[in-house]
Amino acid sequence: GAGVSQSPSNKVTEKGKDVELRCDPISGHTALYWYRQSLGQGLEFLIYFQGNSAPDKSGLPSDRFSAERTGGSVSTLTIQRTQQEDSAVYLCASSLASGGTWAQYFGPGTRLLVL
Amino acid sequence: AQSVAQPEDQVNVAEGNPLTVKCTYSVSGNPYLFWYVQYPNRGLQFLLKYITGDNLVKGSYGFEAEFNKSQTSFHLKKPSALVSDSALYFCAAQDTGFQKLVFGTGTRLLVSP
Repeated sequence: GAGVSQSPSNKVTEKGKDVELRCDPISGHTALYWYRQSLGQGLEFLIYFQGNSAPDKSGLPSDRFSAERTGGSVSTLTIQRTQQEDSAVYLCASSLASGGTWAQYFGPGTRLLVL
Repeated sequence: AQSVAQPEDQVNVAEGNPLTVKCTYSVSGNPYLFWYVQYPNRGLQFLLKYITGDNLVKGSYGFEAEFNKSQTSFHLKKPSALVSDSALYFCAAQDTGFQKLVFGTGTRLLVSP
């Protein structure tokens, strides 16, 4: 079946602009995660959604970052007033349910470059 | 706090030889442990996981990993390496009660012909 898809695959933006990154999880997966991969910081957790529960936002680096998940499926990660340090690959993952017994499956990522 | 260590930035092995990529973890409870592989300009691909039970876990592409509780390790192994195994490998841990994965810094595996 189809895996996790993300769009755009690449995004170049100017410092100070807002960007939106989209994630389509695997159909039927109730849990959705966002991670960031950068040279300096490695792979970092950003935010987690599970069903209708309040999201775990503990990994968001600043209030410029926000995410939503509409209808329990598609998720959008928004970065406002982008900074050069936001340049990274943003990875989305989904799992059948929450909890470690279910593996997280990752999308190909969105490579963000802030000039 | 949870943490995962991958002590080797790079592992070099000749094709046909066995390979080991090391991982140690630190979690407060019983860990869930994972290995992922990343090819250039691609996302992470799930290889295998340890939840409970047999300490030797078998995964995709002939890879396996051995859970050792006393050494808090979860090393990735393959009996015979292929050139196509060359990639970046990440070990990850998830503490029971938490949802996020904590990743190691990654180990680049280079298999030479």
